[in-house]
Amino acid sequence: QQQVKQSPQSLIVQKGGISIINCAYENTAFDYFPWYQQFPGKGPALLIAIRPDVSEKKEGRFTISFNKSAKQFSLHIMDSQPGDSATYFCAASRAGGGADGLTFGKGTHLIIQP
Amino acid sequence: NAGVTQTPKFQVLKTGQSMTLQCAQDMNHNSMYWYRQDPGMGLRLIYYSASEGTTDKGEVPNGYNVSRLNKREFSLRLESAAPSQTSVYFCAILGQGNYGYTFGSGTRLTVV
Repeated sequence: QQQVKQSPQSLIVQKGGISIINCAYENTAFDYFPWYQQFPGKGPALLIAIRPDVSEKKEGRFTISFNKSAKQFSLHIMDSQPGDSATYFCAASRAGGGADGLTFGKGTHLIIQP
Repeated sequence: NAGVTQTPKFQVLKTGQSMTLQCAQDMNHNSMYWYRQDPGMGLRLIYYSASEGTTDKGEVPNGYNVSRLNKREFSLRLESAAPSQTSVYFCAILGQGNYGYTFGSGTRLTVV
């Protein structure tokens, strides 16, 4: 059972454009929703995260939008740059992690064309 | 990935061989995890350890054993490697007020 569904699988955006990646979750016990950025040969690195008590969180060019009723959240990258080219994973977890840890989406391979 | 160190970075095994992947943290956190990453599959949890001496199975534990002998180290053992265990393995710790996870840089394992 895939508890976090991520789309699209791959995405090509022109430099300066907006990149949008979407995720949907099933487990209503989740209360922490991070996005990870991964470059080839590296481990996932936390990019930005949100908890369900807010509908949006912005950090620089990166914004998470969260819709609790729809059980969906998305990552928006404004003014996308070639250096943003990477694989992005959404994830979800319950408070304290526990034996479930993070449940990941399958990832989006993002390419920013110069 | 400061704070979480994985060794080795690369390994090639023959089917049936055994090996142990090592993970060490210097952040003094209790919870540690082992994940595997396969193309198009995201990261999937293999095992979890809440503290020294305790471990729990994750989503894909078959073919693996783990050991948490102290707070700092969490090892993953493959007793008889199979080609299906070819993957990139990541160790992670849970910190930052029980929400932030930090990952190591990974071990790329190939079983031939």
